[in-house]
Amino acid sequence: QKEVEQNSGPLSVPEGAIASLNCTYSDRGSQSFFWYRQYSGKSPELIMFIYSNGDKEDGRFTAQLNKASQYVSLLIRDSQPSDSATYLCAVNSPGYALNFGKGTSLLVTP
Amino acid sequence: NAGVTQTPKFRILKIGQSMTLQCTQDMNHNYMYWYRQDPGMGLKLIYYSVGAGITDKGEVPNGYNVSRSTTEDFPLRLELAAPSQTSVYFCASSKKDSNQPQHFGDGTRLSIL
Repeated sequence: QKEVEQNSGPLSVPEGAIASLNCTYSDRGSQSFFWYRQYSGKSPELIMFIYSNGDKEDGRFTAQLNKASQYVSLLIRDSQPSDSATYLCAVNSPGYALNFGKGTSLLVTP
Repeated sequence: NAGVTQTPKFRILKIGQSMTLQCTQDMNHNYMYWYRQDPGMGLKLIYYSVGAGITDKGEVPNGYNVSRSTTEDFPLRLELAAPSQTSVYFCASSKKDSNQPQHFGDGTRLSIL
């Protein structure tokens, strides 16, 4: 069973600060890494994804990969109260499956 | 621009009843998936399909069945509902394999009493 681990939180940051979310994965063969945001009672919403060949920045969000240490991070700059949600990390396994972490709860306080 | 559509949104079943959760997508995606999400437990893959006529088991398939007769539709069947199947069920689709992002429907909240 391939594992994806996330700190459940809650991670609390003040409005305007940088929120840093991390997940570790066990399968060295993983090549695709996804971050989803899930508001309470809603479905997961794709925020960003990166492949093993590099990091990506999109607006206030940056996804980074550290292959040697097998962790992926999501940075949210200028955090807003509307960013308060659970963030799910997902890592691919060879074939068709994504392995999801249990998510990190983020709370941005005004 | 509907994406992935799931029906119903909510349902209460009695133990032993059966039902079908519907899922349809209009993005012409070949790959479709069914997950369940229990509080604090993350998403668990029930079944997936790589195209019409092809399905395979995921991590937690017991008590469920699927079919894929068209590219658009991927219904999930619960036979003999049990309280352990109380959960939120999400259907998702992707263009191809796990290197592509999956897009989720709004979910079905199911309670078995």
